[in-house]
Amino acid sequence: DAGVTQSPTHLIKTRGQQVTLRCSPKSGHDTVSWYQQALGQGPQFIFQYYEEEERQRGNFPDRFSGHQFPNYSSELNVNALLLGDSALYLCASSLGVNQPQHFGDGTRLSIL
Amino acid sequence: QKEVEQNSGPLSVPEGAIASLNCTYSDRGSQSFFWYRQYSGKSPELIMSIYSNGDQEDGRFTAQLNKASQYVSLLIRDSQPSDSATYLCAVNENNDMRFGAGTRLTVKP
Repeated sequence: DAGVTQSPTHLIKTRGQQVTLRCSPKSGHDTVSWYQQALGQGPQFIFQYYEEEERQRGNFPDRFSGHQFPNYSSELNVNALLLGDSALYLCASSLGVNQPQHFGDGTRLSIL
Repeated sequence: QKEVEQNSGPLSVPEGAIASLNCTYSDRGSQSFFWYRQYSGKSPELIMSIYSNGDQEDGRFTAQLNKASQYVSLLIRDSQPSDSATYLCAVNENNDMRFGAGTRLTVKP
């Protein structure tokens, strides 16, 4: 039973560039949430997708956008990258909203 | 501003002891509560879920919830060195999942 998979594992970008991160949920899950985790901090909620719609959003600027596809996979897009966007980006999936979430291994994004 | 607060630690306990981890939250409308374990360099791993007042036990782990006092705790009995990790408390209210910064636990052999 495949768990949550994320790609790529690591990514290096420069300021001003754009990045797309990808996530496939755990088999049977239909809800995907994205988080940003800075070193030494807890994950910060970016947004959640259910039925291909953004259902809830955290305190992140519009530079952060996402999408969910009919097969429940999801993408996180970040435009106009800033140095402060360097972090571990985590995807979590669940069966429905407000349910326990299972995390992927994350994408470590470094901005130079 | 919805907040989830945890002592950052480090919390150090000897092997075989009970480790007690605490978490407070500010949003009274919170509906579901979770504890995650995160090893260094790894992603969070769900270990406990709790939805109603009282205790929820799973093996060596017990989660306790008190909605009136707005706190949730995690007890780890017979702590093992492999339990050494950062423990994250997460609180969910209307699809808005908030995490604490985590408590770093060290179990010494």
